[in-house]
Amino acid sequence: DAGVIQSPRHEVTEMGQEVTLRCKPISGHDYLFWYRQTMMRGLELLIYFNNNVPIDDSGMPEDRFSAKMPNASFSTLKIQPSEPRDSAVYFCASRNRDYEQYFGPGTRLTVT
Amino acid sequence: QKEVEQDPGPLSVPEGAIVSLNCTYSNSAFQYFMWYRQYSRKGPELLMYTYSSGNKEDGRFTAQVDKSSKYISLFIRDSQPSDSATYLCAMTGNQFYFGTGTSLTVIP
Repeated sequence: DAGVIQSPRHEVTEMGQEVTLRCKPISGHDYLFWYRQTMMRGLELLIYFNNNVPIDDSGMPEDRFSAKMPNASFSTLKIQPSEPRDSAVYFCASRNRDYEQYFGPGTRLTVT
Repeated sequence: QKEVEQDPGPLSVPEGAIVSLNCTYSNSAFQYFMWYRQYSRKGPELLMYTYSSGNKEDGRFTAQVDKSSKYISLFIRDSQPSDSATYLCAMTGNQFYFGTGTSLTVIP
């Protein structure tokens, strides 16, 4: 299996622009997670899905953030409008029924 | 009180040393315990996974869980420079909780 796939790997954008991050989970995994990692705050859970349904979005910082999972093999995290404080590495992870969670390589977002 | 507490380090040891990494937690409902290794500019990589109390060994790595003390440990024997990374503990009941990570450097 190719593992969790994320795109783009790097994104540099200007404040106010829309940013869309993409994730393809491991086939057969029924949970998908979006995390944000910064030096100051560590790894933060933003939202997670079970069978394509959002279960807990309490970690989503503001209404500027939204996430969708239209099918079992694709999810997006959108930030609109983006702000410099959104600069971080965003990870997608998927989990199998044995609770083993596997991370993608991350998207490094820089908002100027 | 945080759900999971982990000493951030940094920890620096000579090659060949035994390394002990630890986390404490507050929620007695946690049942699954994991250790992740994260190299610089990479995603976390699942290293060890245990269920409930006890020890689990995999090569040079041993994961230990003491549910009565709400304490988990990861031991690395014969540490190598390639073990230099940040180690994150994680645990789950209904949700995943991660420690903040311990930065380890193994000096040749």
